Amino acid sequence: AQKVTQAQTEISVVEKEDVTLDCVYETRDTTYYLFWYKQPPSGELVFLIRRNSFDEQNEISGRYSWNFQKSTSSFNFTITASQVVDSAVYFCALSVPTGRRALTFGSGTRLQVQP
Amino acid sequence: DSGVTQTPKHLITATGQRVTLRCSPRSGDLSVYWYQQSLDQGLQFLIQYYNGEERAKGNILERFSAQQFPDLHSELNLSSLELGDSALYFCASSPPRGAGNEKLFFGSGTQLSVL
Repeated sequence: AQKVTQAQTEISVVEKEDVTLDCVYETRDTTYYLFWYKQPPSGELVFLIRRNSFDEQNEISGRYSWNFQKSTSSFNFTITASQVVDSAVYFCALSVPTGRRALTFGSGTRLQVQP
Repeated sequence: DSGVTQTPKHLITATGQRVTLRCSPRSGDLSVYWYQQSLDQGLQFLIQYYNGEERAKGNILERFSAQQFPDLHSELNLSSLELGDSALYFCASSPPRGAGNEKLFFGSGTQLSVL
């Protein structure tokens, strides 16, 4: 079975601060996929990134960056110079290619960026 | 816009009633997933269909059922509704298996309120 833990329930920062959202996962599969989704106040789930278990390269996309460390089973997400529009709930998720491909989600981290 | 369409956006009904939520996947996607998002349970996987056949079951109650039709749209039926069934119900679809296709695209959800 798979499990995703997002220990931070809520984070509040002031605009322009950097913030890191933590994600720890558990799986016995050697091939798996990790995801981050954003849920803004409007409610939809917006895909941010997918990472394969065999690709440990970190990724940067604009102000967003992701740090994947197999040794600690973590897939952390950093927002640099946060903006008010980053306020949302962020979900980390895991799927495996065998059997069902449904995502297992963490409980989410609510990020509040204050102006 | 993810390309996944869910109707209705909002649904208000009474306990004991039955409702049907509808989902149209992205063009070309064969898999449909249903998720329930509630405050106390987070994002829970309910059920998956692939090309008309049930592929996997998650935490779906016996009062709930789903199906996927030949045109690939899916319906989630919720019966004998209880107050605790109030939640945001998401549908997602995914492309056929293949390199780089491990990703779920989510609809904007149906907010169900049981009064």
